[in-house]
Amino acid sequence: DTAVSQTPKYLVTQMGNDKSIKCEQNLGHDTMYWYKQDSKKFLKIMFSYNNKELIINETVPNRFSPKSPDKAHLNLHINSLELGDSAVYFCASSPRRQRNTGELFFGEGSRLTVL
Amino acid sequence: GIQVEQSPPDLILQEGANSTLRCNFSDSVNNLQWFHQNPWGQLINLFYIPSGTKQNGRLSATTVATERYSLLYISSSQTTDSGVYFCAGSARQLTFGSGTQLTVLP
Repeated sequence: DTAVSQTPKYLVTQMGNDKSIKCEQNLGHDTMYWYKQDSKKFLKIMFSYNNKELIINETVPNRFSPKSPDKAHLNLHINSLELGDSAVYFCASSPRRQRNTGELFFGEGSRLTVL
Repeated sequence: GIQVEQSPPDLILQEGANSTLRCNFSDSVNNLQWFHQNPWGQLINLFYIPSGTKQNGRLSATTVATERYSLLYISSSQTTDSGVYFCAGSARQLTFGSGTQLTVLP
């Protein structure tokens, strides 16, 4: 069984469209994340949820909206897609270790291409 | 936020060689982790190592928290070790380094 799974793995769409990426983890972790990896492979956190509550929201355009229906799911919805949104988006989860990030487990990534 | 510097940025090895990758932090971190991103893009957690030394097969890692650095050792490298190695750490949320691109030649 895949521990952290995200769908779709590939997404090609036109500028201006709205799209969603779904993520699910079966590790029993309390905390889930969205990371963005750019073309130079730099990884940057976008959002973090702990038990359905938003705890980290980095400087991300408000066209990006995360939604966590329960602690095993964290979805990412993107409105009005722009060329610069093209990237690989990784979902991840971790157990809590006191107030810090525990071991991080990543999904396989979703490659978004905006034309 | 903290700055994370990894070296070297690129490394090419012959199969069977050993290597050391380094990660420096601008401030104290207490949840340092190492990851391997394989050529297919998968990110695998190698070590959670806030301090001390851990070993897993041919890989081992050492973190000296007081001096704000961590080392990843790869012994008897294999072609399957190729990919990008990232370290990450923070006090609250993980900040990633820019990675070391490792290529192991047969």
